[in-house]
Amino acid sequence: EVQLVESGGGLVQPGGSLRLSCAVSGFTFRSYDMNWVRQAPGKGLEWVSYISSGGGTTYYGDSVKGRFTISRDNAKNALFLQMNSLRAEDTATYYCARVAYGDYAESLDYWGQGTLVTVSS
Amino acid sequence: DIQMTQSPSSLSASVGDRVTITCRASQSISNYLNWYQQKPGRAPNRLIYAASTLQSGVPSRFSGSGSGTDFTLTISSLQAEDFATYYCQQSYRMPRTFGQGTKLEIK
Repeated sequence: EVQLVESGGGLVQPGGSLRLSCAVSGFTFRSYDMNWVRQAPGKGLEWVSYISSGGGTTYYGDSVKGRFTISRDNAKNALFLQMNSLRAEDTATYYCARVAYGDYAESLDYWGQGTLVTVSS
Repeated sequence: DIQMTQSPSSLSASVGDRVTITCRASQSISNYLNWYQQKPGRAPNRLIYAASTLQSGVPSRFSGSGSGTDFTLTISSLQAEDFATYYCQQSYRMPRTFGQGTKLEIK
């Protein structure tokens, strides 16, 4: 069974840092690209970041570029999101999601349950 | 960035109704369009990928169509469990972007 479990969320002050983790099981992690997606309370989904299966290629949304860093440890089946210079508008539930390529198109086929990050003084 | 615009933003319908949600991209994205369903307090679930391919296990009352800039998600006969929020997402170009969502409510 494919499982993705996020952790590391919590309350942090503006300007602070937080590192999210996503522990995966039930599939060959090193073979899959991964994403982070977030959702502010009561709002829609916002794509945050992408990392290739080997970790060599990364992309970021405009709102987090230069502040967030995505990484992975394929030996430990873990995905990470290092979040620095946090702002109130970063308050959201953060989901990790697996990338699937079906019919030559990319989509997100498995999602974790999310971890809540609250940025407030 | 590619902007994704869904309409309507909210929709009231009854069990048994046929419902259509549209998603428009700000530029052509071929068929690189996905649909997700999200229920309150839960993570999103993939419904349709590549514009029209149904996720395994998703009921056949769901269908997707479109190419280029205009796409639709259709539910042929609404069931109680379909009341949720639906999001489109383009996977044509980075950064990936989602539509703002369509909340489907019971009339």
